[in-house]
Amino acid sequence: GESVGLHLPTLSVQEGDNSIINCAYSNSASDYFIWYKQESGKGPQFIIDIRSNMDKRQGQRVTVLLNKTVKHLSLQIAATQPGDSAVYFCAETPMDSSYKLIFGSGTRLLVRP
Amino acid sequence: EAEVAQSPRYKITEKSQAVAFWCDPISGHATLYWYRQILGQGPELLVQFQDESVVDDSQLPKDRFSAERLKGVDSTLKIQPAELGDSAMYLCASSREEPDTQYFGPGTRLTVL
Repeated sequence: GESVGLHLPTLSVQEGDNSIINCAYSNSASDYFIWYKQESGKGPQFIIDIRSNMDKRQGQRVTVLLNKTVKHLSLQIAATQPGDSAVYFCAETPMDSSYKLIFGSGTRLLVRP
Repeated sequence: EAEVAQSPRYKITEKSQAVAFWCDPISGHATLYWYRQILGQGPELLVQFQDESVVDDSQLPKDRFSAERLKGVDSTLKIQPAELGDSAMYLCASSREEPDTQYFGPGTRLTVL
């Protein structure tokens, strides 16, 4: 069935280091993927997206990598800052589901000072 | 920067009472979504509107939940009667069209006692 999962529920990194958050998806028909950041008590905030015709996309301090062969998505955050502490969700949009966005369960990123 | 507005931010009610949540999407966004997010999990779609029409309400518990977007702009989600299991964050999101980036509001935290 459709599912989006994450390898690690919690990731702890030292301030200034790079962070890598991984996500596995199960629907090979998914066409569009998004990473969201959610701080406590707030709604998810869009970080970066990627379509299935790409394998890499870069933003400001963030990079998303898509490996369709193994159905794997990752979010890389460069020079992690305390403000990056939050829960990160990956989400997919299977083309056969009227573009419904399906979220995974999230990874909590903790940045150590 | 335009944002999705939601109210109230917090709602406490007793079971069997009726509650309503309001959402005002980003101006010009034709597609509006209501999600429910249980603590520690990713958001799950309840209902999707394209302008004033429901596109997907397959996950909406229609015996107690209703949603409307009469003029194709703002939207209301209602629960009647509320049950203990309805305690969650209710998130509204909007996008220009589908598929497109969904932008989320701050959410309404519902607690049913």
